[in-house]
This record gives sequence, structure tokens and C-alpha cells, in this order.
Amino acid sequence: AQKVTQAQTEISVVEKEDVTLDCVYETRDTTYYLFWYKQPPSGELVFLIRRNSFDEQNEISGRYSWNFQKSTSSFNFTITASQVVDSAVYFCALSEARGLTGGGNKLTFGTGTQLKVEL
Amino acid sequence: GAVVSQHPSWVICKSGTSVKIECRSLDFQATTMFWYRQFPKQSLMLMATSNEGSKATYEQGVEKDKFLINHASLTLSTLTVTSAHPEDSSFYICSARSGANQPQHFGDGTRLSIL
Repeated sequence: AQKVTQAQTEISVVEKEDVTLDCVYETRDTTYYLFWYKQPPSGELVFLIRRNSFDEQNEISGRYSWNFQKSTSSFNFTITASQVVDSAVYFCALSEARGLTGGGNKLTFGTGTQLKVEL
Repeated sequence: GAVVSQHPSWVICKSGTSVKIECRSLDFQATTMFWYRQFPKQSLMLMATSNEGSKATYEQGVEKDKFLINHASLTLSTLTVTSAHPEDSSFYICSARSGANQPQHFGDGTRLSIL
């Protein structure tokens, strides 16, 4: 069974602060994918990143960076110099990867972290 | 790229009405589409997985006769909430992917309110 835990329910920061959103996952599969999605107040889910289990290299995209550590089953997300527009709920998700045909590849979501960035 | 359109954005209707929600992939062919339900301040819960041309696979506890899913083409899936009641009020969101192990791209969601 898969499980994704986002222990931080809500985080409030002041603009320009750095903030890290934690994500811990559980899976029996050796091959899997990890995702982060952003859900602003308008409701749509915005895809941010996908990482496969064989690629532990950290990734940076502008002010966003991700730290994947298999040893601790964590896939943390850091926003540097946060901005008010970053205010949203952020979801971490896990998908098993079963070969090229993919099987179900259902996404298991964490409960989300509400990030509030204030002026 | 990878745009998913969901319509309508919100619906308010009387109890007993059936409501159809459309999910379209605009710039790619979606072999698989997913339907989720989200209650306020909660996570997304998968309702069903829909593959083009075949019957949807429903998650445990989801009534297939209540939530009818049709995926007739590679760019369109529909969810029909039949005989909706107030407890069906929720945020319904679809996603689509172009192939196995590809990321899911989400629609904007539909807020359904049953009076």
C-alpha cells in the first residue's frame, strides 16, 4: 500500500522568507514516481514536478527546488524568497510505475500543506 | 501544452437532478483520464480511472451506478452524477495523461452544489 504524509497542515511566512514543505512517502515498489502539485484558491491543480525513484539528483527550477532522499523516503520542496503569489495548497503525490504499460499508475495524494505568504 | 479543460466550472441544482461534467484534453490525446473528488480543506480522493473505449475502474466505496463515467474518445471523458443529493456536493476534478507513467494534468475542477 502506498501512503504520502505531509505533516505540516499550514505554514505562514513573510514574503521573501524561504520555506520548505515536507513530504514523506511509503511504498513497497522499487520503481515509482513522486510529484508536487500546487492548488491555488481558484481550485485548479498545477503540475510542478515529477521525479522517478532512480533519480535522486536534486532539482532547481527558478525559486523552486526539490530534495529527494530515498534513505529517508522524503521528497521535500523548498521555495526561496517566497512571494504572495505562492500562497496555495501544495500536494505531494506518489505513483507506482509498473513497466512501460504502466498498470494503473494511480496517484496517491498527501493531505496537502496550506502555505500562506504575507506581506 | 498539456491543457485539460473541465466544464462546467460550477453547478447549482436541485436534489434529484442528474449533472454531467465534461473533461477534455485540448492539445493531447488522453489514453487515461481520472476523476477525483475533493471535500473542503481535504485531499483529492480518486473516484475512478477511465481508459478510452473501455469501462471505468471504480475505487472501493464509489457507486458506479451513481457516478457514471464515459470515455468515448481520446480527448473526452464525462462524469454524470445521477439523481444528485446534497451529500454529493463537492469539488470534482478530472485529470488526463497521454500515456503510461506520464504526469497527470488536471482540469480546473467543477464545484457542485446540490440544494
